[in-house]
Amino acid sequence: KQEVTQIPAALSVPEGENLVLNCSFTDSAIYNLQWFRQDPGKGLTSLLLIQSSQREQTSGRLNASLDKSSGRSTLYIAASQPGDSATYLCAVRPGGSEKLVFGKGTKLTVNP
Amino acid sequence: EAQVTQNPRYLITVTGKKLTVTCSQNMNHEYMSWYRQDPGLGLRQIYYSMNVEVTDKGDVPEGYKVSRKEKRNFPLILESPSPNQTSLYFCASSPRVRETQYFGPGTRLLVL
Repeated sequence: KQEVTQIPAALSVPEGENLVLNCSFTDSAIYNLQWFRQDPGKGLTSLLLIQSSQREQTSGRLNASLDKSSGRSTLYIAASQPGDSATYLCAVRPGGSEKLVFGKGTKLTVNP
Repeated sequence: EAQVTQNPRYLITVTGKKLTVTCSQNMNHEYMSWYRQDPGLGLRQIYYSMNVEVTDKGDVPEGYKVSRKEKRNFPLILESPSPNQTSLYFCASSPRVRETQYFGPGTRLLVL
């Protein structure tokens, strides 16, 4: 059974710092991996989707990488801002499955 | 505006009183899904639908029903709610099954 782990559960950084959020999964047979952002009291917003054949995806200050063989993905946030404060969730779609399996998230606080 | 809407946003009910949470999307998406989010357990998939009249169980389907009679709507039905169904519920949709998912704002349910 696929399991997704995100460490740390919470992270606090000063504004302007570059940071990395980690996601690991137990079964490397995935179709794709998606990073989401969740703001308090709100739904999830998709940030980046990486297909299993890809190594990374970029959107603005965000860069997500995927190492399928080692079961790891990272979300790199450059020059963090207070507006980046949110919970970041990683989700994988196992190969041959129509489901998404989520990690429990990393709560990020960027201090001014 | 392209969006996924859920109603109601907040609901307090009593054990055993049937309720329906509606979900609607205006993006002509084929795939729709329901999740529940609980502290310490993360997001878990309840049911999903690949297209009209095609639904399947997720990881935690017990106590829930769904139907997909129209492409845009995917209601979640709790026929006899119990306190362990107190949770934050999200509906999501995507153009096709393995593509980026778009989430609704969530429905917070309290069952007394």
